[in-house]
Amino acid sequence: AQSVAQPEDQVNVAEGNPLTVKCTYSVSGNPYLFWYVQYPNRGLQFLLKYITGDNLVKGSYGFEAEFNKSQTSFHLKKPSALVSDSALYFCAVRDETGGFKTIFGAGTRLFVKA
Amino acid sequence: DVKVTQSSRYLVKRTGEKVFLECVQDMDHENMFWYRQDPGLGLRLIYFSYDVKMKEKGDIPEGYSVSREKKERFSLILESASTNQTSMYLCASSSQGAPTDTQYFGPGTRLTVL
Repeated sequence: AQSVAQPEDQVNVAEGNPLTVKCTYSVSGNPYLFWYVQYPNRGLQFLLKYITGDNLVKGSYGFEAEFNKSQTSFHLKKPSALVSDSALYFCAVRDETGGFKTIFGAGTRLFVKA
Repeated sequence: DVKVTQSSRYLVKRTGEKVFLECVQDMDHENMFWYRQDPGLGLRLIYFSYDVKMKEKGDIPEGYSVSREKKERFSLILESASTNQTSMYLCASSSQGAPTDTQYFGPGTRLTVL
């Protein structure tokens, strides 16, 4: 069965420091991995996705994520955090056997302090 | 840009009422989805539709029904609202139905059932 784990409910980081939001997954087939962000009182916005190829994926707003097949992880990273990055981040996974179904993690709240 | 709109941002209803949540997308997408979002649980799929008049149950369909009479519109119906249906409801759409598709989300409807 497909599953996604975001082990941290909240991540706190100072502005200007690098940030990492962790995600691990479990699927039967090849994974397709996504990160979405939710700002207060808004819907989810797509940040980036891994389909195949280069393990380092670059996305919107300076975010990137690294796919690690052996560790079944897809951690979200940014070299220098901004206060405006404070939001709720969701990791999601699909595989070719799951059809339309996307499994979302529980979400990690990122708090960037000025 | 894909635009997904939802009929209400905030809704307050009483137990036992019939509730309609509407979602409209403007990008001619084949697939539409209804999720509910609860703290600590991430997003859970209620129903999805891959074509007009077609629907499939998601993970938590009990107490809900859906209608898709036109390609651009997907309605979620709570037949008899209960307090445990108080939640944030998110609509999403995607184009092809491939596992690599990005989903585009509406702003959400926060429903309170008293």
